[in-house]
Amino acid sequence: GAVVSQHPSWVICKSGTSVKIECRSLDFQATTMFWYRQFPKQSLMLMATSNEGSKATYEQGVEKDKFLINHASLTLSTLTVTSAHPEDSSFYICSARGVAGAPSTDTQYFGPGTRLTVL
Amino acid sequence: GDSVTQMEGPVTLSEEAFLTINCTYTATGYPSLFWYVQYPGEGLQLLLKATKADDKGSNKGFEATYRKETTSFHLEKGSVQVSDSAVYFCAVVGGSYIPTFGRGTSLIVHP
Repeated sequence: GAVVSQHPSWVICKSGTSVKIECRSLDFQATTMFWYRQFPKQSLMLMATSNEGSKATYEQGVEKDKFLINHASLTLSTLTVTSAHPEDSSFYICSARGVAGAPSTDTQYFGPGTRLTVL
Repeated sequence: GDSVTQMEGPVTLSEEAFLTINCTYTATGYPSLFWYVQYPGEGLQLLLKATKADDKGSNKGFEATYRKETTSFHLEKGSVQVSDSAVYFCAVVGGSYIPTFGRGTSLIVHP
């Protein structure tokens, strides 16, 4: 149980295009999903927290107009990198936290990550 | 806010050696403590957790004990294997339910 998937697992795009990354909780309902960015050999940087049906809460320094987050259902959140540039190249990881009765509410379950390369 | 301090790596060991990765934290209230493992090119996997003082989390031969008096949650394994080579993250989750991660410790195990 507590499986989180991400799609795509890797993507290469041209500068100026937009890329959408999906995060799904496969066997539980996720009231809250988190999006992280990880640079090589570094820790995770929390970008934003999204709750189903409401606007995402972005961390300081993260451009909300560039990184659009939608959490339309209890099992799906999407991150869209708009007008991507080479400096947006990174490893993006999502995680999901379940509702009471599902996987414990204090535990996050991570997706496998999406490697974005912007040429 | 909450914070986590992990020992810097990389930690390099021979197979069957004893492993300790130190982790200390600061947090208000009664946080839950976690260890996550990240294999190359993958996301994070929950390794173990502890939710109250003196609890011991264990999984796959790894153990960590929630020490409130020393605000520590050190990860240990009695005999490491090459397949344990990965990056290990300590995390604390307080009342906000948003985890705070340490910087990660890379473990390299040689045959």
